Amino acid sequence: DIQMTQSPSTLSASVGDRVTITCRASQSISGCLAWYQQKPGKAPKLLIYQASILESGVPSRFSGSGSGTEFILTISSLQPDDFATYYCQQCIIHGTFGPGTKVDIK
Amino acid sequence: EVQLVESGGGLVQPGGSLRLSCAASGFTFSDYWMSWVRQAPGKGLEWVANLRRDGGAEFYVDSVKGRFIVSRDNAKNSLYLQMNNLRAEDTAVYYCARGITPAAAPPFQHWGQGTLVSVSS
Repeated sequence: DIQMTQSPSTLSASVGDRVTITCRASQSISGCLAWYQQKPGKAPKLLIYQASILESGVPSRFSGSGSGTEFILTISSLQPDDFATYYCQQCIIHGTFGPGTKVDIK
Repeated sequence: EVQLVESGGGLVQPGGSLRLSCAASGFTFSDYWMSWVRQAPGKGLEWVANLRRDGGAEFYVDSVKGRFIVSRDNAKNSLYLQMNNLRAEDTAVYYCARGITPAAAPPFQHWGQGTLVSVSS
C-alpha cells in the first residue's frame, strides 16, 4: 500500500503570507497527486490534480508542483477564505489521502 | 449540474449492519467509476472503496475488506455501500464521490454532502 505524509500538520499564517505544504508518498506515484481544501462541516473541494493542474474556478494563487514522491502545494498570498485544512491524495493505486495540514490564523 | 446525495446513515450497535445509498444526477452515471470516502469525527479523510462503472471491479481499504460491499444500480443511478459487522472505529461521515474523468476513480471532482454513521451501544 502507498502511504502519504504531509508536513507540517498545522501551519499558522497571516493574510498575505506565502504558504507551502509538502506531501510525500512512500513510493513513486509519478504525477498522480491531487490537493483538496476542506472547511469544517463541508465536503472537500478539489483544488489541483495531476500534481499541477488547477481545477476550474480555483484562484490562481493556488499552485502545485512535484513528481515521483515529493509534492508541494503553494498559496502565493493567503486570503481569509483560505483558512482551512488541506489534504493530498495519491491516485495511482486506489486513493490514499495524506493526514492533512490545518492552516490557521497566526 | 452534478449532484450526489447520500442517505441511510444513522446509529447502529457494534456488530450491526447498515446500507448507505448515493443518488446521482446531472451526468451519465453508468460512464463513471464511483467511490466512497469517510471521515471520522475530528479526523482526516480516508478512502474506503472504488467501484468500476460496470460494477465488475471493486477495491477496498484493508480495514473494511470482508465487511463492506460496494455496489451500484446503473438503471437507478445509484451507488450503495453495504456495511456489515460494524465497529466503533467505523463511526464517520461517509461521502460518495465521483472522479474527473470516466476512466478513473480519484481524483474526486464531485462529492455528496455526506451521511453520518455512528456505531455505539
